[in-house]
Amino acid sequence: DTGVSQDPRHKITKRGQNVTFRCDPISEHNRLYWYRQTLGQGPEFLTYFQNEAQLEKSRLLSDRFSAERPKGSFSTLEIQRTEQGDSAMYLCASSLKGHPTSTDTQYFGPGTRLTVL
Amino acid sequence: GESVGLHLPTLSVQEGDNSIINCAYSNSASDYFIWYKQESGKGPQFIIDIRSNMDKRQGQRVTVLLNKTVKHLSLQIAATQPGDSAVYFCAENRNSGYSTLTFGKGTMLLVSP
Repeated sequence: DTGVSQDPRHKITKRGQNVTFRCDPISEHNRLYWYRQTLGQGPEFLTYFQNEAQLEKSRLLSDRFSAERPKGSFSTLEIQRTEQGDSAMYLCASSLKGHPTSTDTQYFGPGTRLTVL
Repeated sequence: GESVGLHLPTLSVQEGDNSIINCAYSNSASDYFIWYKQESGKGPQFIIDIRSNMDKRQGQRVTVLLNKTVKHLSLQIAATQPGDSAVYFCAENRNSGYSTLTFGKGTMLLVSP
């Protein structure tokens, strides 16, 4: 399967614990995005990388959240001191942005469902 | 604030009917629009996209129409099948500058056999 993959698919944790999610983008995609989705809502942008550089962060990304893409390939999203309000689906997407005027179609992974008890 | 939204939260159709899902956007700076399909427990799946210099684009059984005058986007699905049942999101992107997607709330499409 050459699509975006995410691990784990489900995570249950207790409030106050730290969790880390991994995303493997489509091979050769230079952009990688993290979104959060709660029930009944559309995905909300959190942050994105172009290669290893983190270019934008949403105001939704509190200081408890940190994302990395150290080698410009896979990415990790860590949430420290989890809260019940962090319960959501965390989605990763990737795209290939070539020429400045080319479209930037984002392809999503299956998501990681986080439940904070 | 500027946002992407949908007119109908739920659309119920019979198998074989044509479906039309609508979306309104308010950001005139948006120049790229995408429709995604999301089945329960899965990530959004790309369906079709359209750039702002076009008003219509066709794919396999799907057509996207863009009316920039009234800032309206629609997804037409021909000969709807039970496998089309899902939540459909429109999303907007500003291709120049930031590359983040702004999603609407979604429309649930229910197809009865």
